[in-house]
Amino acid sequence: AQRVTQPEKLLSVFKGAPVELKCNYSYSGSPELFWYVQYSRQRLQLLLRHISRESIKGFTADLNKGETSFHLKKPFAQEEDSAMYYCALRGGSGNTGKLIFGQGTTLQVKP
Amino acid sequence: NAGVTQTPKFQVLKTGQSMTLQCAQDMNHNSMYWYRQDPGMGLRLIYYSASEGTTDKGEVPNGYNVSRLNKREFSLRLESAAPSQTSVYFCASSDLLITGELFFGEGSRLTVL
Repeated sequence: AQRVTQPEKLLSVFKGAPVELKCNYSYSGSPELFWYVQYSRQRLQLLLRHISRESIKGFTADLNKGETSFHLKKPFAQEEDSAMYYCALRGGSGNTGKLIFGQGTTLQVKP
Repeated sequence: NAGVTQTPKFQVLKTGQSMTLQCAQDMNHNSMYWYRQDPGMGLRLIYYSASEGTTDKGEVPNGYNVSRLNKREFSLRLESAAPSQTSVYFCASSDLLITGELFFGEGSRLTVL
């Protein structure tokens, strides 16, 4: 079964502090993993995906298959990073694209 | 280019009433999805349609039906609304063959009394 777990409902840090939003997954095949973000009054949008191995807005995420994790990290948090973050896994047979989300973590960056 | 458009944005229903949430996308995407968002539960997949003419159940399909009317439109119907269906509903679309990125609508807030 496919499952995504984000253990923290709320993560509160001060501006300039490092941030790590945790994501663990359960999937029997080769996973495709993503981070989506929902800023206040904006649509849910893609932040980054593990395949592209890119850094977006200073955020990076590394897929660790041994620990089945895909934690999102940023060395220095900014107030504009405050948002709801969702980790997601694509599974399903063939190319159906069914995307399963975790419970979400609210990141609050205090000034 | 509107992207993904959902209607209505807000709706209040009484228990037992029916309603349909409409979703349309103008990005020529093959795949479309309906999710519900609840506090502490995150986003849960209700139904999805990998391509025109196909629909499949997601994690929480009970109490819902869907119709993939054409490539652009994917509707979600509540036949007999229950208070447990009070939620924010999101429609999304994706072209798996290109990027696989999901594009979301603004959401529809449904309250069932």
